[in-house]
Amino acid sequence: NAGVTQTPKFRVLKTGQSMTLLCAQDMNHEYMYWYRQDPGMGLRLIHYSVGEGTTAKGEVPDGYNVSRLKKQNFLLGLESAAPSQTSVYFCASISGGFMNTEAFFGQGTRLTVV
Amino acid sequence: ELKVEQNPLFLSMQEGKNYTIYCNYSTTSDRLYWYRQDPGKSLESLFVLLSNGAVKQEGRLMASLDTKARLSTLHITAAVHDLSATYFCAVDDSQGAQKLVFGQGTRLTINP
Repeated sequence: NAGVTQTPKFRVLKTGQSMTLLCAQDMNHEYMYWYRQDPGMGLRLIHYSVGEGTTAKGEVPDGYNVSRLKKQNFLLGLESAAPSQTSVYFCASISGGFMNTEAFFGQGTRLTVV
Repeated sequence: ELKVEQNPLFLSMQEGKNYTIYCNYSTTSDRLYWYRQDPGKSLESLFVLLSNGAVKQEGRLMASLDTKARLSTLHITAAVHDLSATYFCAVDDSQGAQKLVFGQGTRLTINP
């Protein structure tokens, strides 16, 4: 059982380049999330999705876009990378419903923008 | 806007001692989570607290939730080196979609 898988695990981009991070979950979860983690700041929500075909902005959405064309996949795009987007990105999924609240996290993607 | 604050942010302690990490949050919520993160790793779920007065224990860790005081505690009993990690609390913002707002994290170092 793979759980939540992120691709790639590491990436170095030049300023202005674009890329897509892929999050795949095999637990049939409804809710999916993208967070970024910066030193001393905990995790901050970028975008989220409550179901296939839906997306919404989180706390820090600027410079990112997302898509959820299939229930199991949640893509995070950087249109024009900036050094301020250097961070560790985590994807998470939750089944949904009051009692099904445990969040499962991917292993993270370490992105450096130079 | 929901804000979550942990204290202390850094904690160095000796093996065998007891200590408590505090998590305060600013608006009403009925769900609070504790996670552990080892360096360079992902987040590991420790506890999910769903109601006022909830208490959960796993080994040397015990978590509690007081929704009236908007406070959760993570208590460490007789610490051992293996518990060295960064601990995060996270609170559901109660606006649907189960969006979590994280505290800054507490970096715990346990010395022999």
